Amino acid sequence: DGGITQSPKYLFRKEGQNVTLSCEQNLNHDAMYWYRQDPGQGLRLIYYSQIVNDFQKGDIAEGYSVSREKKESFPLTVTSAQKNPTAFYLCASIQGQTLTGELFFGEGSRLTVL
Amino acid sequence: QKEVEQNSGPLSVPEGAIASLNCTYSDRGSQSFFWYRQYSGKSPELIMFIYSNGDKEDGRFTAQLNKASQYVSLLIRDSQPSDSATYLCAVRGGYQKVTFGTGTKLQVIP
Repeated sequence: DGGITQSPKYLFRKEGQNVTLSCEQNLNHDAMYWYRQDPGQGLRLIYYSQIVNDFQKGDIAEGYSVSREKKESFPLTVTSAQKNPTAFYLCASIQGQTLTGELFFGEGSRLTVL
Repeated sequence: QKEVEQNSGPLSVPEGAIASLNCTYSDRGSQSFFWYRQYSGKSPELIMFIYSNGDKEDGRFTAQLNKASQYVSLLIRDSQPSDSATYLCAVRGGYQKVTFGTGTKLQVIP
């Protein structure tokens, strides 16, 4: 079945450590996205990528980094520069070249800083 | 001005009533619009998307888009307690950027 796989589902980090969240899709989608959600809040865009080897900063990119070396993969690194990284992280993808494309989500990764 | 705005609620409606959720956006070049339902602690699930002016119906749900006024709405007919959730509006703009509103919490009272 086609879909988006995020891993790990739960992650604990000590302050000062970098962590990488994985996002893999087998939907052959062009565009991929990372969002952050804090309790009781909406989704805020961290980074997005329209095509391989290209990505753009979203609204809250500081303290995060991404890469897009393959069409199906869009990992997110939460660096030690991110001052408040505890949150629910969601990866999404969409078929880029059509208005009718649906934005699909993975199940999310919950990061807790100890 | 926020790119996508929603009333945070909570919006309370009795079971069987119509729930009306609204969303406004700032980018006139926005291309397509999505409504998601999200239960606490879960990933958002797509209810509907719309990209042409007018209404789009799917079962108990109707999405309405008015590009001139820059708003999109979602109507839920015959609301059920299981519809109680947070509803997120998302807008796809230039360069494939997809921005979400803060969500509206809906409570359906049995």
